[in-house]
Formats: sequence, structure tokens, C-alpha cells
Amino acid sequence: EPEVTQTPSHQVTQMGQEVILRCVPISNHLYFYWYRQILGQKVEFLVSFYNNEISEKSEIFDDQFSVERPDGSNFTLKIRSTKLEDSAMYFCASWEAGGPETQYFGPGTRLLVL
Amino acid sequence: GEDVEQSLFLSVREGDSSVINCTYTDSSSTYLYWYKQEPGAGLQLLTYIFSNMDMKQDQRLTVLLNKKDKHLSLRIADTQTGDSAIYFCAETPRAGNTGKLIFGQGTTLQVKP
Repeated sequence: EPEVTQTPSHQVTQMGQEVILRCVPISNHLYFYWYRQILGQKVEFLVSFYNNEISEKSEIFDDQFSVERPDGSNFTLKIRSTKLEDSAMYFCASWEAGGPETQYFGPGTRLLVL
Repeated sequence: GEDVEQSLFLSVREGDSSVINCTYTDSSSTYLYWYKQEPGAGLQLLTYIFSNMDMKQDQRLTVLLNKKDKHLSLRIADTQTGDSAIYFCAETPRAGNTGKLIFGQGTTLQVKP
């Protein structure tokens, strides 16, 4: 069974610090995503990435956020200057661009900003 | 706009059927999904339905889609304690087709022994 992996599983940071969340998507997949889930709330779409560029982003994905696929295997989400309200679970997903059963989610990184 | 709404909580007894409901606004949605999230875990795709279908059955799971009312439901037959989890309804909007998913807020299913 293919799987998306994410590191770290938990991260605690101070407000104003930069954080980088890492994901290893499934190797032959073409689309990559970040979602976040603030405790008790909806899972929200942040950004999709295809062909080495952002294909769509939400209003949440402002200048504080960036994504990168630095080496053809990792897919990273950087938050430049974290705010308290960035505390959430961040999920990475990847999609083969076939049917819906080919989209897989990682286990998530729980980010806590103090 | 794109929005998905669900009721927040459902409690059933083991062995009963559970029905989790969802409404959505995007009439051009291509697929609609049900994801399961167990405590501390990620999102697991349970089942999905293409927008031109009205029903899909997969073992204990039955998905019903009413396109006219933009209503989706998930029925779990013979609910077990292991089914206790949060269930998310989601859709793929047709516009752009980047594969992004729009999720509801999740329904917490509590199964009592």
C-alpha cells in the first residue's frame, strides 16, 4: 500500500519563528497539496502544486506561506513568521491524477505556536 | 461558492445503523467523498461517489446522493465500536480540476457498546 509520510509528527515553536513542515509524497504522483485543520474545525485547503509550481491556493495561503519541491522527492511547507493562529494539524496529500482513489493523505504534523 | 456542511455529532448503539448526512453547494462537483479520521490519525478515504450516480454500496457502507437537494449521506450498517471516529464529507469542485478537496466540519460518531 503506497503512503505519504510527514515529518515531524509534532512541532512546538515560538511565535515569530520560521517552521518548515516536510512531506514525502508517493513517487509517481503528479499533484501535491497542503491542508490544515485547526482543532475542532474543518479541514481547509491551503495550496496545490503541479509541475513545479502552485496550481491553486486559498485565501489562507498568504505571503507568510511558501511551498517547495527541492529535490524531486520532498515537498515542504514553510511558514515564515508563525502566529498563534497557525497552530493546527497540517496534512500533506498527493494525487496520481487518475481516479479519486489515487489521492492519499499523510498522517499530519501537529504544529503548536506558543 | 464552495461549502460543505455536516451535523457535528451522532451517537448510536453497537449493531444499529448509522446515517451521517452532508449538504454541499457546488452543483458542478465531480466527485463526493467520505473520509474517516480516527483519534490522532490522518484522513482515510472510505468511499466516494461520482456525481452522476445516486447510490453506491461497498460492504457495510451505502452512499446516497440526491443531486437535486445537494445532499449526501453515508449509512454504516451493523455499526461497531471500531467505527467510532470523525467522518468528513468532501467534494471536488469541477472548476480548475486541480484535485483539491473541500471538506465539511466532520461528524463525530460515537458507538456505545
